[in-house]
Amino acid sequence: AQTVTQSQPEMSVQEAETVTLSCTYDTSENNYYLFWYKQPPSRQMILVIRQEAYKQQNATENRFSVNFQKAAKSFSLKISDSQLGDTAMYFCAFMRGSNTGTASKLTFGTGTRLQVTL
Amino acid sequence: DSGVTQTPKHLITATGQRVTLRCSPRSGDLSVYWYQQSLDQGLQFLIQYYNGEERAKGNILERFSAQQFPDLHSELNLSSLELGDSALYFCASSVGTTNEKLFFGSGTQLSVL
Repeated sequence: AQTVTQSQPEMSVQEAETVTLSCTYDTSENNYYLFWYKQPPSRQMILVIRQEAYKQQNATENRFSVNFQKAAKSFSLKISDSQLGDTAMYFCAFMRGSNTGTASKLTFGTGTRLQVTL
Repeated sequence: DSGVTQTPKHLITATGQRVTLRCSPRSGDLSVYWYQQSLDQGLQFLIQYYNGEERAKGNILERFSAQQFPDLHSELNLSSLELGDSALYFCASSVGTTNEKLFFGSGTQLSVL
């Protein structure tokens, strides 16, 4: 079974600063995907970024980037130029690669609550 | 807006009752997933359907059941409700190929009193 660990329950960052959220995972799979989802106060689960395990290059999406260390099973999220709208719960998630033709389930970490302050 | 529609947004009911949560996936998505989010259990996968057939099962109680209809919408039925079933229930959908992006609805907040 896969496990996802987020060791930072809460974090705070000032507007325009950079913050890094940590995530580690445990798996024996070689084919998998990693995700960061954002859950603002509206409760909507929003996909922030995705990383394929077979790709060495770290994924980036505008102000969001990841540091994927496959050997260490680490997958951290860096948010640059933080904005008030980034205030949310952030979940790291793992998905096993599928050979059934459909995407497998997501296994989530416990989340990190990020507060962006003025 | 993810394109995944869940109704109702809020549901308040009593212990022992039965409720049905509804999910309409994004246009073209064949796969539907149900998740439960609670304070003590976090986000837990319940069940997955693909084109009308059950594809994977997670931590779903026997009192809970789901189905996906020919028009691809899905329903999650919760019966003999207990206080501990109070949670936010999410539906997500994906294309149904090896495209691994899941898009979530805004959830149904269930309160069992």
